[in-house]
Amino acid sequence: GAGVSQSPSNKVTEKGKDVELRCDPISGHTALYWYRQSLGQGLEFLIYFQGNSAPDKSGLPSDRFSAERTGGSVSTLTIQRTQQEDSAVYLCASSLGIGGRSYEQYFGPGTRLTVT
Amino acid sequence: GENVEQHPSTLSVQEGDSAVIKCTYSDSASNYFPWYKQELGKRPQLIIDIRSNVGEKKDQRIAVTLNKTAKHFSLHITETQPEDSAVYFCAASLGGYQKVTFGTGTKLQVIP
Repeated sequence: GAGVSQSPSNKVTEKGKDVELRCDPISGHTALYWYRQSLGQGLEFLIYFQGNSAPDKSGLPSDRFSAERTGGSVSTLTIQRTQQEDSAVYLCASSLGIGGRSYEQYFGPGTRLTVT
Repeated sequence: GENVEQHPSTLSVQEGDSAVIKCTYSDSASNYFPWYKQELGKRPQLIIDIRSNVGEKKDQRIAVTLNKTAKHFSLHITETQPEDSAVYFCAASLGGYQKVTFGTGTKLQVIP
């Protein structure tokens, strides 16, 4: 079946503009995660959803970052007033969620964000 | 919150040798420890995971060991092959479908 998809694959934006990143999880996966990966760095946790609820938003770097998930499926990560330090690859992952026997996260291909 | 430290940051081994990557975690409540492999330009993929009720798990050439008392866990790759070259990430979680904290990664290079 289809894996996790993300759009756009690449986004170049000017400093100060808002951007919206989209994640389509694997069908039936109720848990969804957002991470940020800077060049050559590890995976920085941003937020995760169980269904449409976000129990842990502790990783969001500032109030310029927000995320939502509707219908227990698609999620959007919004960055307002982008700064150059926001430049990174934003990865989305999904997993089965409550009731599943495996906690494996399936990652999307990422969105490479460049703020000029 | 949870903090995961990973060592070494880079590792070069000759083909056929073993590779060991070590991680420590800070939250004693963590009970799920996955390892992900990320090849250059690709997305991370789970290669093995372990839960706190076992001390060791093996899958062909890959094994993971967990010491809950010391709060550390390790990845062991035997008979390394060039296709094992990648960045490996350890992680820790409270289990279930909760926040997963990743280590900073180890870049493994297997020299033919």
